[in-house]
Amino acid sequence: KAGVTQTPRYLIKTRGQQVTLSCSPISGHRSVSWYQQTPGQGLQFLFEYFSETQRNKGNFPGRFSGRQFSNSRSEMNVSTLELGDSALYLCASSLGGPTSSYEQYFGPGTRLTVT
Amino acid sequence: TQLLEQSPQFLSIQEGENLTVYCNSSSVFSSLQWYRQEPGEGPVLLVTVVTGGEVKKLKRLTFQFGDARKDSSLHITAAQPGDTGLYLCAESRRAGNTGKLIFGQGTTLQVKP
Repeated sequence: KAGVTQTPRYLIKTRGQQVTLSCSPISGHRSVSWYQQTPGQGLQFLFEYFSETQRNKGNFPGRFSGRQFSNSRSEMNVSTLELGDSALYLCASSLGGPTSSYEQYFGPGTRLTVT
Repeated sequence: TQLLEQSPQFLSIQEGENLTVYCNSSSVFSSLQWYRQEPGEGPVLLVTVVTGGEVKKLKRLTFQFGDARKDSSLHITAAQPGDTGLYLCAESRRAGNTGKLIFGQGTTLQVKP
């Protein structure tokens, strides 16, 4: 079974621009979560989508948004980029059902650099 | 807000040595996961522990979950250079049918040949 894929792997943008990142979950997984990883803050939860609906959200400004399609693929958008948005953006998929452990499987990430 | 504290933050050892990494919280974990992350890649799930006192083994890695479910440890026996990476503990924070992972800051392990 193929793992979680993310595109693109690397991205360089300028302050003020917007960016869209894409994530394809493991086949059969209906939940997709997004995380931001930086050296200073570590891994921080952005939001989770399940059946095309956002059902959980972290403490990030409204510039960060996402969506999920009927095939469970998800996109994340960051508008009006700031230098501090430079990070590794990770997507994780899980079955999303009422399991007790809620195991998530991560993609390789998209390295975003804002100049 | 419950925080996960990992220690040590950095560890540099010689091949063949043993090491232990700790993950602690002031509150009870619902369940705990350990991940390893290599540079430029996403975290890879190593194990999930759910029951207090639980011990799981994965080759040379031994994971323990404290009896009170407020702490966990990862012990590596005879470390090898391939064990080098960032080790992360994460709590699965559930609320009804949804959930998210809360991560510790991680332990960076370097194993020198």
